[in-house]
Amino acid sequence: GIQVEQSPPDLILQEGANSTLRCNFSDSVNNLQWFHQNPWGQLINLFYIPSGTKQNGRLSATTVATERYSLLYISSSQTTDSGVYFCAVENDMRFGAGTRLTVKP
Amino acid sequence: GAVVSQHPSRVICKSGTSVKIECRSLDFQATTMFWYRQFPKQSLMLMATSNEGSKATYEQGVEKDKFLINHASLTLSTLTVTSAHPEDSSFYICSARGAAGSPYGYTFGSGTRLTVV
Repeated sequence: GIQVEQSPPDLILQEGANSTLRCNFSDSVNNLQWFHQNPWGQLINLFYIPSGTKQNGRLSATTVATERYSLLYISSSQTTDSGVYFCAVENDMRFGAGTRLTVKP
Repeated sequence: GAVVSQHPSRVICKSGTSVKIECRSLDFQATTMFWYRQFPKQSLMLMATSNEGSKATYEQGVEKDKFLINHASLTLSTLTVTSAHPEDSSFYICSARGAAGSPYGYTFGSGTRLTVV
């Protein structure tokens, strides 16, 4: 099956810093989603992004399907951004291992 | 937007009993729903794909007789953990896909934390 790799596995930031999370996938996908899992386990859908770039406030995402990767950008990070960020590819909804983000005040 | 409701959010049961978890799509019809389990500090592992009106498709290594999935309508899928044991304790999450062309992609329930004692 398709392989999904996320990097970095862990990321510690100071509040206000910017960051880039990466998601590589091993085969063509119909779609890709980014999620934020909060401390209570709820998965928040951040972006549904088959290709191109989308922005939502301080977050933006870019998927380059032909090169099999997607990037999630977080600008001016806040402590509430802490949690685990997952990408999942749509063909069979496989999840990457996630990036655990900690934003320190 | 698309909303998926999952109940219960937490359940504690005795070893040997069965537990049913419900996943409902509230404002859209979902012909396909997915069930995942997540162990602490790990990623989500796809357990099975639930198809309305037909048998579920289970991932390799998932016991279909232990994790019974029923998708009787376009808005409801259930996962029953039969004869639960402590090693079944986990966080179970369902998801549903909206209609083709939906901007929402896959929407997830809030999860069920199962503790078997």
